[in-house]
Amino acid sequence: AQTVTQSQPEMSVQEAETVTLSCTYDTSENNYYLFWYKQPPSRQMILVIRQEAYKQQNATENRFSVNFQKAAKSFSLKISDSQLGDTAMYFCAFMKPLPYNQGGKLIFGQGTELSVKP
Amino acid sequence: NAGVTQTPKFRVLKTGQSMTLLCAQDMNHEYMYWYRQDPGMGLRLIHYSVGEGTTAKGEVPDGYNVSRLKKQNFLLGLESAAPSQTSVYFCASSPKQVIQYFGAGTRLSVL
Repeated sequence: AQTVTQSQPEMSVQEAETVTLSCTYDTSENNYYLFWYKQPPSRQMILVIRQEAYKQQNATENRFSVNFQKAAKSFSLKISDSQLGDTAMYFCAFMKPLPYNQGGKLIFGQGTELSVKP
Repeated sequence: NAGVTQTPKFRVLKTGQSMTLLCAQDMNHEYMYWYRQDPGMGLRLIHYSVGEGTTAKGEVPDGYNVSRLKKQNFLLGLESAAPSQTSVYFCASSPKQVIQYFGAGTRLSVL
């Protein structure tokens, strides 16, 4: 069974600085997807970034980028130029592609609560 | 665009009561999911559906039932609520397997 581990329950960063959130996962699969979701105090789950395991290039979305190390089973999220609005719980998640009739099941880590301080 | 809408947003139940949570999506998505979120844990999959009229069990299905009579709606039922079912419940939908779009959640307390 796949597992996702986020070893940093809480982190803080000063506004405009850079912070990196860690995530490791365990799987025997070769083809899969990895995600970072953001959950602000409003509770809404927002997709931040995704990575396909078959792609060697790290995904980037504006100030958000990942460091995907497939052999090490590591998937960290880097937030550059942190903003107050980045304050949220961040979840790392894993998905293994399944046959059409089995759905795409997300497996989540425990979350990292990030506080951006002015 | 409404996206994924969950009702109600909050609910308090007494042990043994029943209730139904409604999830509605207006994006014509095939897949729909119900998750629960507990403190210190990520979301865990309760049940899911790969199309109208289909349902399947996820990671933590005990104590819950679901129905997908219409493509746009996915209902989660608690027949006899227990304190262990106090949680925040999230619904999600996706057009294919990969990207899931979440609702705003329902906070349920069972006393």
